[in-house]
Amino acid sequence: DAMVIQNPRYQVTQFGKPVTLSCSQTLNHNVMYWYQQKSSQAPKLLFHYYDKDFNNEADTPDNFQSRRPNTSFCFLDIRSPGLGDTAMYLCATSEGSEAFFGQGTRLTVV
Amino acid sequence: DQQVKQNSPSLSVQEGRISILNCDYTNSMFDYFLWYKKYPAEGPTFLISISSIKDKNEDGRFTVFLNKSAKHLSLHIVPSQPGDSAVYFCAASEASGGSYIPTFGRGTSLIVHP
Repeated sequence: DAMVIQNPRYQVTQFGKPVTLSCSQTLNHNVMYWYQQKSSQAPKLLFHYYDKDFNNEADTPDNFQSRRPNTSFCFLDIRSPGLGDTAMYLCATSEGSEAFFGQGTRLTVV
Repeated sequence: DQQVKQNSPSLSVQEGRISILNCDYTNSMFDYFLWYKKYPAEGPTFLISISSIKDKNEDGRFTVFLNKSAKHLSLHIVPSQPGDSAVYFCAASEASGGSYIPTFGRGTSLIVHP
């Protein structure tokens, strides 16, 4: 019973080629988050939605954009990926204090 | 500027013994604390949490202790089992606009030897 589903699980993209990561949820939670986790580092919050209200972290690069067309889906768009964007990208949802995570998308920029 | 710190990147424990994972935080506004467990190639899964109004929360083999004055929390696993081998993330959050946004530590990799 997958509750937060991320696609694809693995993505390789070329330097500078736009890429979109997707996340869907069956929990009907009003909050959705995107985190970036680089090797041996803490997951870093990029942005989150509270319903349709978008909240961008101050240090999230402009290269990263997000869309939430409805409650169930959220997308992460990287307009011009750089080598430093190679990381695990984690989507999560919450209704209260506990966040539920997807399995992540491992993005490699070559 | 890490607000949540897990200073031990790894911990090795014998099966049946106690595992103690530590976490420190700097933001006094945090009022809810969580531990997540992560296996390779999977997303983090929620393990146990504690509100700032408590100093202990127990769930089976897992107990979380909170020392607010020291801004320190710890996760105790007793007895440890080989299946507990995973990366454990400490997270802390404060209410923001109706939602709690977790801030994570770097994680501690626990290895439980048979």
